[in-house]
Amino acid sequence: NAGVTQTPKFQVLKTGQSMTLQCAQDMNHEYMSWYRQDPGMGLRLIHYSVGAGITDQGEVPNGYNVSRSTTEDFPLRLLSAAPSQTSVYFCATAKYSGGVSYEQYFGPGTRLTVT
Amino acid sequence: AQSVAQPEDQVNVAEGNPLTVKCTYSVSGNPYLFWYVQYPNRGLQFLLKYITGDNLVKGSYGFEAEFNKSQTSFHLKKPSALVSDSALYFCAVPLNTGNQFYFGTGTSLTVIP
Repeated sequence: NAGVTQTPKFQVLKTGQSMTLQCAQDMNHEYMSWYRQDPGMGLRLIHYSVGAGITDQGEVPNGYNVSRSTTEDFPLRLLSAAPSQTSVYFCATAKYSGGVSYEQYFGPGTRLTVT
Repeated sequence: AQSVAQPEDQVNVAEGNPLTVKCTYSVSGNPYLFWYVQYPNRGLQFLLKYITGDNLVKGSYGFEAEFNKSQTSFHLKKPSALVSDSALYFCAVPLNTGNQFYFGTGTSLTVIP
């Protein structure tokens, strides 16, 4: 039972390049989300999904794209990387019931540097 | 808008002493409140939550939190700190829709041997 896995663990991109951060879960959770963590700013929600085929924007969605074709996977795409996207990215999952998501389970993170 | 605030960026406490990590909230209606811990180079781990009921909530690793409605606070506490408790602590609250969470900026706890 792996929980929430993220790949890669580290990535360096040049400005303008694109890439996909992978997130997979085996917890059968309906809710999945992507956060970025920056010093002094806590965690900020990028995008989230409450089930396959359903996604929505969080607080800081610009420059990122997501899709949810299966319950297990929730990839995050950087369309054209910018230095401002240098951050640590976390994927998280949660049970979702009655329109409410509960405590979240986080992956180990991806550290992204954009030069 | 729903939000939480963590007024202390850094808390230092001696090993064996009680510890408190502060969180205040601004929530309309009945709040759901969460605490998470992040060890170095790891993802966040759920510690405990307040949904309703007893104001004192017990969680993982001997931590507890006290919900205080009059002071709009949800402080995290532990009676006797361990060096291994040194980590970054976040409180969080779901936004009105229940689909998004707002995290505080985090408090770095250092337990001094």
